[in-house]
Amino acid sequence: AQTVTQSQPEMSVQEAETVTLSCTYDTSENNYYLFWYKQPPSRQMILVIRQEAYKQQNATENRFSVNFQKAAKSFSLKISDSQLGDTAMYFCAFMRSGAGSYQLTFGKGTKLSVIP
Amino acid sequence: NAGVTQTPKFRVLKTGQSMTLLCAQDMNHEYMYWYRQDPGMGLRLIHYSVGEGTTAKGEVPDGYNVSRLKKQNFLLGLESAAPSQTSVYFCAHRGPGNTIYFGEGSWLTVV
Repeated sequence: AQTVTQSQPEMSVQEAETVTLSCTYDTSENNYYLFWYKQPPSRQMILVIRQEAYKQQNATENRFSVNFQKAAKSFSLKISDSQLGDTAMYFCAFMRSGAGSYQLTFGKGTKLSVIP
Repeated sequence: NAGVTQTPKFRVLKTGQSMTLLCAQDMNHEYMYWYRQDPGMGLRLIHYSVGEGTTAKGEVPDGYNVSRLKKQNFLLGLESAAPSQTSVYFCAHRGPGNTIYFGEGSWLTVV
């Protein structure tokens, strides 16, 4: 079974600064996907970024980028130029690819507060 | 809402009562899921479906039943609600690129 670990329960960052959220995972699979989801106070689950394990290039979406280290089983999220609207819970998630359920396994989350 | 609508949004139940949560998608996707989220936890999979007429158990299926009689609807049932089932429930479906899209959540309190 896969496990996802987010070792930082809470973090804070000054507005306009950069912050990195950590995620590690454990799997014996070679093909999989990794995701970061954002959950603001409204509790809506919003996809931030996704990474396919076979791609060496790190994914980027505007101010959000990842550092994917497959050998180390690490998948960190970097948020640049932090904005007040980035305040939320952030969840790292793993999905095994190929035939199967395509279900997500989540970490317990990191609560990020952006300070004005 | 990423093409997923959940009803009801809020519900308070008494212990032992039954209820059904409805998830409706308008994207014609095969895979649908029910997750629950408890304080301090990420989402955990209750049941899922890979197509019309099929269902399967996830990580925490006990106390729940599901049905997928129509492709666009995935129902989650609680036959005899317990306080331990107080949670936020999320429906989801698998979209392009194997990305999972979530509904807005349903808050359930069992007293």
